[in-house]
Amino acid sequence: GENVEQHPSTLSVQEGDSAVIKCTYSDSASNYFPWYKQELGKRPQLIIDIRSNVGEKKDQRIAVTLNKTAKHFSLHITETQPEDSAVYFCAARRAGAGSYQLTFGKGTKLSVIP
Amino acid sequence: NAGVTQTPKFQVLKTGQSMTLQCAQDMNHNSMYWYRQDPGMGLRLIYYSASEGTTDKGEVPNGYNVSRLNKREFSLRLESAAPSQTSVYFCASSASSGANVLTFGAGSRLTVL
Repeated sequence: GENVEQHPSTLSVQEGDSAVIKCTYSDSASNYFPWYKQELGKRPQLIIDIRSNVGEKKDQRIAVTLNKTAKHFSLHITETQPEDSAVYFCAARRAGAGSYQLTFGKGTKLSVIP
Repeated sequence: NAGVTQTPKFQVLKTGQSMTLQCAQDMNHNSMYWYRQDPGMGLRLIYYSASEGTTDKGEVPNGYNVSRLNKREFSLRLESAAPSQTSVYFCASSASSGANVLTFGAGSRLTVL
């Protein structure tokens, strides 16, 4: 099955700096890669996603990049703000049969220091 | 719209007791899921229901059973709770098994003593 590795497990940045979280996946058939944000005590919520036919996607201060050859994808947050502090999860899903199942990474706790 | 509603939000059980976590969605979604979240382990799929009338095992199904009662409701049952089942449980739904976006419930924190 799919295996998703996520690094780092914790990340502290100064407000205004950039943050980068990286994930690798094992199944070359995976074609969908979402990122979920979970604030303390809250439910996970989708913040951005990318499909395998796209190399990069941006939404205001967040962006995701995908390298299919190397089987890794990254979340980039620019101009970080205290409200970006949360746990971020990457995930991967394969196409076709069995496409119901998202495999999540173990999460990265991001702390933005004012 | 309420989205995905889970009950109870908190529960304490003794080893060997049974309980059922309830989940309901009002978005007319076909697919529903149960995940558990443990510190440092991310979200792991317990069971899912691709559509009404079907259920399948996920990554960590042992010790659990599920029922897709109707299109709206998907329950998770612990027949004989164990301390290893202490966790936060999230129900989620998606428009279909191939749809991308998961909508999560608020979570249920279960402690087994």
